[in-house]
Amino acid sequence: GNSVTQMEGPVTLSEEAFLTINCTYTATGYPSLFWYVQYPGEGLQLLLKATKADDKGSNKGFEATYRKETTSFHLEKGSVQVSDSAVYFCALSDLDAGNNRKLIWGLGTSLAVNP
Amino acid sequence: DAGITQSPRHKVTETGTPVTLRCHQTENHRYMYWYRQDPGHGLRLIHYSYGVKDTDKGEVSDGYSVSRSKTEDFLLTLESATSSQTSVYFCAIGLKGSYEQYFGPGTRLTVT
Repeated sequence: GNSVTQMEGPVTLSEEAFLTINCTYTATGYPSLFWYVQYPGEGLQLLLKATKADDKGSNKGFEATYRKETTSFHLEKGSVQVSDSAVYFCALSDLDAGNNRKLIWGLGTSLAVNP
Repeated sequence: DAGITQSPRHKVTETGTPVTLRCHQTENHRYMYWYRQDPGHGLRLIHYSYGVKDTDKGEVSDGYSVSRSKTEDFLLTLESATSSQTSVYFCAIGLKGSYEQYFGPGTRLTVT
């Protein structure tokens, strides 16, 4: 079945450092891919998405490119801020036996940015 | 804002008692999901619904039941709470024509 593997954290960076959080997937067909962010004490928020190969999703300075050849969707940001400290989740679209929609989730990567 | 509320936001209960968590949405979305979030386990799907009275089990459904008698409400019931069900519970809705999900603020449940 479909699955998502996300790099383990925690990741600790200094402000203005470059961020990469790796996400790879296993899937049949042509899934959509997502990054969600969870700030402390809050629910998850959609950060960005890509629905087909070579699509680049971007939002708030974060980017991720859907790479079918490497089955990856790595999250990047050129210069992180303290306010980016959060947990980041990679997710993959899936269908159940009745063609109902679900997401398959990575385990999350905690990011801490120090001033 | 997808108009999702969860109640209660915090609850402490004793082992063996029944507990019902409520998820309410205001925008008539077809898909609704219940997850639990625990350290080291990420987000795990408990049950989901794809319409009124249409529900199915997720990966960690044992000890939980759900009901959806109206489009706007999706209830999660722990019939007899156990300490292993101490967790943060999130409800999400799925947008029409998309796989995107939008999350409620969560319910922190402690079973003593």
